[in-house]
Amino acid sequence: NAGVTQTPKFRVLKTGQSMTLLCAQDMNHEYMYWYRQDPGMGLRLIHYSVGEGTTAKGEVPDGYNVSRLKKQNFLLGLESAAPSQTSVYFCASSFRTVYGNTIYFGEGSWLTVV
Amino acid sequence: AQTVTQSQPEMSVQEAETVTLSCTYDTSESDYYLFWYKQPPSRQMILVIRQEAYKQQNATENRFSVNFQKAAKSFSLKISDSQLGDAAMYFCAYSRGDAGNMLTFGGGTRLMVKP
Repeated sequence: NAGVTQTPKFRVLKTGQSMTLLCAQDMNHEYMYWYRQDPGMGLRLIHYSVGEGTTAKGEVPDGYNVSRLKKQNFLLGLESAAPSQTSVYFCASSFRTVYGNTIYFGEGSWLTVV
Repeated sequence: AQTVTQSQPEMSVQEAETVTLSCTYDTSESDYYLFWYKQPPSRQMILVIRQEAYKQQNATENRFSVNFQKAAKSFSLKISDSQLGDAAMYFCAYSRGDAGNMLTFGGGTRLMVKP
C-alpha cells in the first residue's frame, strides 16, 4: 500500500534550471496538494487540485506551476529555479467530502537551489 | 484569512511526565477542523489527533488529548506518559469546513523528551 509517493526525494538544481516534482497517490483521492516547508516553519500551501484537470493557487504560488492530467498524479514544476525555492516539498491528498477529511502526506522532496 | 499561532518554539519534558503544547487560531468561520501533526526527524507528517469544531467533547487518542476552547480559539495538545519516541516537531493545523480540506499550519513546537 504505497499511499502518497513523491519523486525525486532529493535534488540539487542550479539557479535558472527547471525541474518537475511528481506526486502519485493510489487511494483514489479527489484532492491533491503541494506544500513547501522552509527551515523552522510550518508547511505552506503552494497549489492544490480538487479534481482531474483543475488546479488552483494556494498561499505561495509564485514561481511554480502545476498540472493534474490524471486523477492519481499531481505535478509541481519550477520553470526557473531560484535559491529562495530551496525547501522541502510535500505532496498530500484527501477525499473530497466536506467533513474535514484526513490529509495524507508523502515523505517529502528535498530541493536545494544553488 | 485564517492564522494559526504556536507560541512555544521549544518544549522539554521528562520521560513519563505530561506536557502541554499550546495553539491558538483566528477564524471567522463557524465550521472548521483542527489537527495536531507530528513530524519526527524523518520529516514524515503524522496525524496525531483531530477535532471537529462542532463537537464540544475534546478528542482523545491513547496518550494524546486536546483541550479545545472554541470561544477562546485555543487548541492545546496534552501528551501523557511522555516517551522518547514522542520527541519531534509538532504542528497545529486548521482546516475550513467547506470543500477543500486545505490546511493552514502553525510554526511548530519542538518537543524534547529527557530520559
